[in-house]
Amino acid sequence: AQSVSQHNHHVILSEAASLELGCNYSYGGTVNLFWYVQYPGQHLQLLLKYFSGDPLVKGIKGFEAEFIKSKFSFNLRKPSVQWSDTAEYFCAVRPTGFQKLVFGTGTRLLVSP
Amino acid sequence: SAVISQKPSRDICQRGTSLTIQCQVDSQVTMMFWYRQQPGQSLTLIATANQGSEATYESGFVIDKFPISRPNLTFSTLTVSNMSPEDSSIYLCSTDRAGQETQYFGPGTRLLVL
Repeated sequence: AQSVSQHNHHVILSEAASLELGCNYSYGGTVNLFWYVQYPGQHLQLLLKYFSGDPLVKGIKGFEAEFIKSKFSFNLRKPSVQWSDTAEYFCAVRPTGFQKLVFGTGTRLLVSP
Repeated sequence: SAVISQKPSRDICQRGTSLTIQCQVDSQVTMMFWYRQQPGQSLTLIATANQGSEATYESGFVIDKFPISRPNLTFSTLTVSNMSPEDSSIYLCSTDRAGQETQYFGPGTRLLVL
């Protein structure tokens, strides 16, 4: 069965620090990849997605993610975090041709001002 | 993105009772999804609901416990039946707009079962 691993469950950073959240998946075929964000008290929102093409994708609010096929990874990055980035981040995978999204366990990011 | 609303936003229920959660989308969609997010855990797909057909349930979820209705292309309900404290969770509705291959989520229904 497909699975998604997010190794960092909790991350605490100071403002202006760089961020990288890891995401690895297990599936041998072609996949679509997503990062969702859930700000405190808000609903889940799409941050960015990768379907094909340039493996470096840019999302909203300065986030980007890089798909490395050989490593089955889709890590999320931001060069300089802000206090407003405090949220929970979920990586999700969908094998091409299927509708089901498989989510990772999420990473809680706390950015201290 | 799709605009998705859910009712109720939260509820506290007694064990043994049932709760029906409503999901409304602002436009017609083919597929609607119901997820569960238990405390401290990730989202897990309960079932996929297509209009005009029976919902498709994921392993570990059964129709008797989580009956789903999909009467039209903009609306769905999920019922949590015969609730126990283990059903305390956030239940989320999601849809995948045709051609976008991206799921958008509703605000969720936070359920506490005593």
